[in-house]
Amino acid sequence: GAVVSQHPSWVICKSGTSVKIECRSLDFQATTMFWYRQFPKQSLMLMATSNEGSKATYEQGVEKDKFLINHASLTLSTLTVTSAHPEDSSFYICGGGGGTYEQYFGPGTRLTVT
Amino acid sequence: RKEVEQDPGPFNVPEGATVAFNCTYSNSASQSFFWYRQDCRKEPKLLMSVYSSGNEDGRFTAQLNRASQYISLLIRDSKLSDSATYLCVVNVGNTPLVFGKGTRLSVIA
Repeated sequence: GAVVSQHPSWVICKSGTSVKIECRSLDFQATTMFWYRQFPKQSLMLMATSNEGSKATYEQGVEKDKFLINHASLTLSTLTVTSAHPEDSSFYICGGGGGTYEQYFGPGTRLTVT
Repeated sequence: RKEVEQDPGPFNVPEGATVAFNCTYSNSASQSFFWYRQDCRKEPKLLMSVYSSGNEDGRFTAQLNRASQYISLLIRDSKLSDSATYLCVVNVGNTPLVFGKGTRLSVIA
C-alpha cells in the first residue's frame, strides 16, 4: 500500500504554544488529505479535509482559526494547533487516498499539552 | 442514529475460537465498505474491503448485506496477534470515510 509519514510522532508542549504536524505522502500524489483526531477509546473523528492549493474544508465544530491547515504541495499537508490547551491533547492522524479506494494513514502524532 | 454502529465489546475469546463482529450503517447510498484494524496507539490499517458477494482472506471472512445495511467480519482460529480494535468503515461516493467506534478483541492464551 501507499506510504504516508507523519512528524513528529509525539510532542509535549505547554499550554498556549503552537504545534505543527506534518503529513507527507511518500509514494503518491495526494490532492486531498484528511486530518483526524482520536481521543482514548473513541473512534477517529474527521476534523478537516485538506485540499492542495485551496482552503481546507472543516467539519462542524472544528475551529478553523485554531487548527490551521496548509496543503501547499501534492505531497505535504500540515496541521498547526494554535494556542494549544490541555483539551487538545489527543492522537492526530492524517490520511490520504479515500473516496472509493482504501485510505492510507500516517503513523499518527500523539500531542500532550501540559 | 449514528452513521456507523458497532458493538464496542470487548470480546474476550480463547485462542482458536471463532468470533464474529457486526456493523450497521445508516446511509443507504453508501458504496464502499471496509474493515480496518487498529492496534493500541497505532494508526488504522486496512484489513479487507467488503464486497456484496462476500470475500475471504485466510482466516478472515467479510460479508455485506445491502438490504439490511449490515456488514460482518468473521475471524476463524483466533490468534493472540488478532487482538486489536476492528473498525467498520463506509464511504459514500467521493467523500471522506466514515468510521465506526470499533470493536475491541482480546484473544487469550
